[in-house]
Amino acid sequence: AQSVTQLDSQVPVFEEAPVELRCNYSSSVSVYLFWYVQYPNQGLQLLLKYLSGSTLVESINGFEAEFNKSQTSFHLRKPSVHISDTAEYFCAVSDRDFNKFYFGSGTKLNVKP
Amino acid sequence: EAGVVQSPRYKIIEKKQPVAFWCNPISGHNTLYWYLQNLGQGPELLIRYENEEAVDDSQLPKDRFSAERLKGVDSTLKIQPAELGDSAVYLCASSPGTVTDTQYFGPGTRLTVL
Repeated sequence: AQSVTQLDSQVPVFEEAPVELRCNYSSSVSVYLFWYVQYPNQGLQLLLKYLSGSTLVESINGFEAEFNKSQTSFHLRKPSVHISDTAEYFCAVSDRDFNKFYFGSGTKLNVKP
Repeated sequence: EAGVVQSPRYKIIEKKQPVAFWCNPISGHNTLYWYLQNLGQGPELLIRYENEEAVDDSQLPKDRFSAERLKGVDSTLKIQPAELGDSAVYLCASSPGTVTDTQYFGPGTRLTVL
């Protein structure tokens, strides 16, 4: 079984500063990788995903994540955050062979003015 | 287009009582997921349906939890009897097909067992 580790439970950052939310997964077998976001008082929604091809994937609101197979990581980055990015971010991994889906414990991003 | 609908949004029950949660997925979505989310944790998959078939229920505590998805549309998750440790948010999600597809989540049902 996979495990997904998000080491940072909370990340405080000032507006317009860069941010990186870390995600590591346990197994190097073939995986699909996802970041989901939960804004205050809203349900979880997909931010971006890696299925194949280019290891760098981007979202429409300026986030990007890079699949690093050797490091078994899929860190999420944004060069300049906005107040509206305040949310909880969940990394998720799907095992290609067994169609299992695993979420990390989440990172709360708090963007301060 | 309507999103994933869940009801009730909140439920408070005494331990040993039964409880049921209902989920109506997005129209046309074949795959339906039930997750449990404890405070401070990420969602944990309980069961995944493809149409009417439960294709992954390995994490469902079958002694007290049951689920059904009759006609491959809406679904019900039941707990009987509830225990204190079942207090959590129960999430329903749906997707068009495989695990590579985007999952669309409902707002969840927050269960409190007293």
